[in-house]
Amino acid sequence: DIQMTQSPSSVSASVGDRVTITCRASQSISSYLNWYQQKPGKAPKVLIHAASSLQSGVPSRFSGSGSGTDFTLIISSLQPEDFAIYYCQQSYSIPLTFGGGTKVEIK
Amino acid sequence: QVQLVESGGGVVQPGRSLRLSCADSGFSFSTYGMHWVRQAPGKGLEWVAAISYDGSNKYYADSVKGRITISRDNSKNTLYLQMNSLRAEDTAVYYCAKGRSSSWATYFQHWGQGTLVTVSS
Repeated sequence: DIQMTQSPSSVSASVGDRVTITCRASQSISSYLNWYQQKPGKAPKVLIHAASSLQSGVPSRFSGSGSGTDFTLIISSLQPEDFAIYYCQQSYSIPLTFGGGTKVEIK
Repeated sequence: QVQLVESGGGVVQPGRSLRLSCADSGFSFSTYGMHWVRQAPGKGLEWVAAISYDGSNKYYADSVKGRITISRDNSKNTLYLQMNSLRAEDTAVYYCAKGRSSSWATYFQHWGQGTLVTVSS
């Protein structure tokens, strides 16, 4: 199974800050990496697919990059509605696996 | 507008069975692969099972293999998850999710609201 490791597990930030979340795969997954946002009591929502493709309707302050084993999600200017948990997920092989999540909290 | 609505969750005793359903009121249900993803209370996301667009291929996480069966009825736009021999560690919110392709190799484009399964005596 491919293990997905996210860091940090939590980050405290202020509105307007730039936030960077990383995700590392235990083996190469090419660009088969997706990012989700989950707010309390809600289902996850896809932000980025194929490592860097912005899902329709997602604000452009979200961006993704990387390939192989190392990936990054950047929120360029944090907004109040961005406080949530973020998960990466690989779609390279079965079983599909998620990272442990990164909680973005208000500083 | 895709809308996935899960049902069938509840409290069940260890060792018993439960069947979850997920109704898709959107379009092209029969075109896309479908998945179940679960989330234990206060924990992260865990992929559980996937089924191809026509039901011919099914895939399972090791943690549920042999106890859980995924199926679909394209004439009813409905996805199912039959869960047998339930254990306490199966307690979670179960989400159905619609993939972006006909098979498993995809991201989860649309999600239901989730249904809570609690396994407890």
